[in-house]
Amino acid sequence: DAKTTQPPSMDCAEGRAANLPCNHSTISGNEYVYWYRQIHSQGPQYIIHGLKNNETNEMASLIITEDRKSSTLILPHATLRDTAVYYCIVGTTGTASKLTFGTGTRLQVTL
Amino acid sequence: KAGVTQTPRYLIKTRGQQVTLSCSPISGHRSVSWYQQTPGQGLQFLFEYFSETQRNKGNFPGRFSGRQFSNSRSEMNVSTLELGDSALYLCASSLEASGLYEQYFGPGTRLTVT
Repeated sequence: DAKTTQPPSMDCAEGRAANLPCNHSTISGNEYVYWYRQIHSQGPQYIIHGLKNNETNEMASLIITEDRKSSTLILPHATLRDTAVYYCIVGTTGTASKLTFGTGTRLQVTL
Repeated sequence: KAGVTQTPRYLIKTRGQQVTLSCSPISGHRSVSWYQQTPGQGLQFLFEYFSETQRNKGNFPGRFSGRQFSNSRSEMNVSTLELGDSALYLCASSLEASGLYEQYFGPGTRLTVT
């Protein structure tokens, strides 16, 4: 599985958009980009995933560059409840359901 | 629909003992995966079960084992506990062999080994 690089921490003011970057320069053609988050003392929570097109759901948007070597998770209107560690993961779908977590980005949303 | 449940939520054991942790997946989910989370190593994959068969295994010693029952409930066992086994153990379930998305995690079992 390709490795990912994320900044260790970021701050965001409540109500503003939080843009969390992820580098995955060794991603292969059949690997997806997945985002999970972990709020303190809880299990990780799936947010969104994509292959090469931008994706949006009720939680967030995922922007993947044309060369697929990096992506950005966007939380359009961050709230205090979005304070968490965000993990960017790349991998294939199918029979292997193993999630390989990196160190993630600790997002702190402040008033 | 009820989420993934794990029991017990907290556990204290002594070095050398063994421990069994339990995970009940979301109703209808057939795949169950286990992860270990420590401050030093982060979240690491232990193993995955699907229809009572282990399909994938992480890089952990043989002291770590698991099984899955016909109702998809799963247990993991750690024998001869070491201090380094102190961790949060997380279970995740998914509907089928659906890959990496839509894995639903439980709250975890926090194991402390003294």
